[in-house]
Amino acid sequence: AQSVTQLGSHVSVSEGALVLLRCNYSSSVPPYLFWYVQYPNQGLQLLLKYTTGATLVKGINGFEAEFKKSETSFHLTKPSAHMSDAAEYFCAVSVTGANSKLTFGKGITLSVRP
Amino acid sequence: DAGVIQSPRHEVTEMGQEVTLRCKPISGHDYLFWYRQTMMRGLELLIYFNNNVPIDDSGMPEDRFSAKMPNASFSTLKIQPSEPRDSAVYFCASAASRNIQYFGAGTRLSVL
Repeated sequence: AQSVTQLGSHVSVSEGALVLLRCNYSSSVPPYLFWYVQYPNQGLQLLLKYTTGATLVKGINGFEAEFKKSETSFHLTKPSAHMSDAAEYFCAVSVTGANSKLTFGKGITLSVRP
Repeated sequence: DAGVIQSPRHEVTEMGQEVTLRCKPISGHDYLFWYRQTMMRGLELLIYFNNNVPIDDSGMPEDRFSAKMPNASFSTLKIQPSEPRDSAVYFCASAASRNIQYFGAGTRLSVL
């Protein structure tokens, strides 16, 4: 069975600073990997996904993530944080495709200080 | 498209009552998922359907929970009888084949 580990529950950065949210996964087969964002009182919205091919994937709002098989990681980054990035971020893994069972991490709350 | 529509947005009920949550997926999507989100357990997949047929219900916590999808445009998640530990945010998501899942805004359930 697959699993996702998101270390820590809260990250705080200053506006304009680098955002780094960590995600490690466990899977016995090549995974599909996702990052979702949840703003307060809203559903989840896809930021980006990795299925096959290029290991550096770019998503919406300036976010990107790199799949590193040797490290079983899929960390999310953004060069310069904006106040509007404050939200909860979830990493997820699937082993059979985007439209089947997703296993989510616990989520990380990102705060952005002025 | 209006996206995935869930109703009600908030539900407050008393222990022992029946609760029905509703979901209208995006038109043309053939996969539908029900998730539960709590502080303790995070996001959990309860059940998912493909072409209105339940595929995996291994996440349904117990017999008090049931889900149906009578047609391609409607699904329900029912809890009977409800218990305080069922308090959570319940999300519905839909997807087209080989594509990403789109989530609704969720139903916040409080069982007193």
